[in-house]
Amino acid sequence: AQSVTQLDSHVSVSEGTPVLLRCNYSSSYSPSLFWYVQHPNKGLQLLLKYTSAATLVKGINGFEAEFKKSETSFHLTKPSAHMSDAAEYFCVTGSGGSYIPTFGRGTSLIVHP
Amino acid sequence: DGGITQSPKYLFRKEGQNVTLSCEQNLNHDAMYWYRQDPGQGLRLIYYSQIVNDFQKGDIAEGYSVSREKKESFPLTVTSAQKNPTAFYLCASRHRGGGAGDTQYFGPGTRLTVL
Repeated sequence: AQSVTQLDSHVSVSEGTPVLLRCNYSSSYSPSLFWYVQHPNKGLQLLLKYTSAATLVKGINGFEAEFKKSETSFHLTKPSAHMSDAAEYFCVTGSGGSYIPTFGRGTSLIVHP
Repeated sequence: DGGITQSPKYLFRKEGQNVTLSCEQNLNHDAMYWYRQDPGQGLRLIYYSQIVNDFQKGDIAEGYSVSREKKESFPLTVTSAQKNPTAFYLCASRHRGGGAGDTQYFGPGTRLTVL
C-alpha cells in the first residue's frame, strides 16, 4: 500500500526567507508524487508532480521539489517566501491501478511580514 | 475554458433535508471523485467513479449517494442520514488512461452548512 506522511502540520516563516515543507512516502514501487496548494475556501491547485523523469521538479510560483529515493522523501522548497504563499499544502501519491490518490494530512504555511 | 465547476458555492440545509451538490467537468475525464474536508483536516474520499454508470464507495460513504449518468456530471446527494454534514466538499476529475501519474483536477468547492 502507498502512503505519504507530511512531517509538519504547521510551518511558520518570515517573508523573504526559504520555505521547506517535508513529505515522506511509502511505496513498494516507483511512485508518482504531487504537491497541491489550497488557499482558504478554494479548491486544490497543482504545484508540481514527479513521475520518474527528472528527480528535481520545478513547479509554479517558484516552488520545486526533489525526489530522493534513498530517503523516500519529496520535500517542497521555495527560496523566498511571499505573503501570497500562505496556504495549506498537500503531498499526494498516485495510486496504482485503482486510481485512488492518497493524500497527506496537509501542512499549513504561515508567512509573517 | 476547460475545468470543473461546482455549484452552489454555499449551501444551507435544514435538519432532515436532502441536498444535492453539482459537479460538472468539460475536461473529457473518465474518473470523478467527491471529497469531504473538515477544518484542519485533510481530504476524505466519499465516492468515486471511473466510468459512466459505475461508482464505488470511498472511506466515508455512509449518508451520501451519487449518480454518474453522463461523463461530464457527478452529482452528490447529502441525505438526512448523514448526521454531521457541515463541511467543505470538493469534486475532482482525472483522465483514466495514463495510470498513477495522471493529475487530479479540482473544482472550487461547495461549503455546506446545517442550520
